[in-house]
Amino acid sequence: GDSVTQMEGPVTLSEEAFLTINCTYTATGYPSLFWYVQYPGEGLQLLLKATKADDKGSNKGFEATYRKETTSFHLEKGSVQVSDSAVYFCALRYSGGYQKVTFGTGTKLQVIP
Amino acid sequence: GAGVSQSPSNKVTEKGKDVELRCDPISGHTALYWYRQSLGQGLEFLIYFQGNSAPDKSGLPSDRFSAERTGGSVSTLTIQRTQQEDSAVYLCASSLVGTSGGDTDTQYFGPGTRLTVL
Repeated sequence: GDSVTQMEGPVTLSEEAFLTINCTYTATGYPSLFWYVQYPGEGLQLLLKATKADDKGSNKGFEATYRKETTSFHLEKGSVQVSDSAVYFCALRYSGGYQKVTFGTGTKLQVIP
Repeated sequence: GAGVSQSPSNKVTEKGKDVELRCDPISGHTALYWYRQSLGQGLEFLIYFQGNSAPDKSGLPSDRFSAERTGGSVSTLTIQRTQQEDSAVYLCASSLVGTSGGDTDTQYFGPGTRLTVL
């Protein structure tokens, strides 16, 4: 079946450091890919998405590129802030109709001043 | 409404009691999904609704779990005879439904209900 694998956390970075959170997926078809973020005490929020190969999703300085050849969707940010501290979930979902989201296990990011 | 809302935000119950969790999706979203977020299990899919019907109930962890949706809007997730392993955050999401692409791919999540079974 389909699955999403994320790098283990927690990840601790100093403010202004470069961030990469690795995500790879296994899928029988061609899903859309997502990054969701969960800030402390809050619900899941969509951070960015990409719907087809080579698409780049971006939001709030975060970027991720849909790489079909490596089945990856790594999340990157050039300069993290303390406010980016959260749990990040990589996910996939097929287009069309009623489709559930398959999530990775989440990666906790802590940014220290 | 502006977003998906869920109630209560927190629920503490005793083992063996029944609980009802409520989800109010974004207006106009015909698809509604329930997920559970628990320690050691990550985020797991429970059930989805298309309109008022639930074609796939295979994600429900046991027959103590049931869900319904009325009027194509509000949904309730009921857990009977709660057990300690039911303690988790229960998330609801809704989305548009279409053929492919666009915002029909995106599920919007509510803030969740944190259930604690003592």
